[in-house]
Amino acid sequence: DIQMTQSPSTLSASVGDRVTITCRASHSISDWLAWYQQKPGKAPNLLIYKTSSLQSGVPSRFSGSRSGTEFTLTISSLQPDDFGTYYCQQYNSFGGGTKVEIK
Amino acid sequence: EVQLVQSGAEVKKPGESLKISCKGSGYRFTNYWIGWVRQMPGKGLEWMIIIDPGDSDIRYGPSFEGQVTISVDKSISTAYLQWSSLKASDTAIYYCARGRGPSYGWPFDFWGQGTQVTVSS
Repeated sequence: DIQMTQSPSTLSASVGDRVTITCRASHSISDWLAWYQQKPGKAPNLLIYKTSSLQSGVPSRFSGSRSGTEFTLTISSLQPDDFGTYYCQQYNSFGGGTKVEIK
Repeated sequence: EVQLVQSGAEVKKPGESLKISCKGSGYRFTNYWIGWVRQMPGKGLEWMIIIDPGDSDIRYGPSFEGQVTISVDKSISTAYLQWSSLKASDTAIYYCARGRGPSYGWPFDFWGQGTQVTVSS
């Protein structure tokens, strides 16, 4: 099974900041990498699929990219509604999560 | 509108069995894989198990094979997650979710509201 390692585990940023979250796979994988946002007490929400495809209804400030086995979720300009925990997922494995707090 | 509606919260004792449900609507149920995700208290998401309702092909997440059973009733567009003997460590919220595409590997695009399962003596 593939192991997905996310970093950082937490981050605090200000509104308007550019935020980057990284997910590293234990070995070479396909582009079947997805990103989710989860807010407290709610089900996760799909943001990005196939590394860089934006799910319908998701704001364009969210984007995804890949370099080798490292995948990145970028929020171009952090908004107050972007708080929550972000998870990457590939096939049958989730990353450990990154908690994003707004300063 | 696609919806996944899960059964209500459960409180069980260790050793008891349990079956929770997830009813899909607003789409052709047999065209999309449906899976289950565990979230233990204060912890992250764990990918458990997934089934193709069309042919009952099943895939397991790490550590879950042999621990739970998944099934579907196509006639009522419902998926089930079942335990034969619960443990206290099964206490968690369980989410069902639909695979975004027609084959294994697609991420989950629609999610149920979650079912809280509490196992305590």
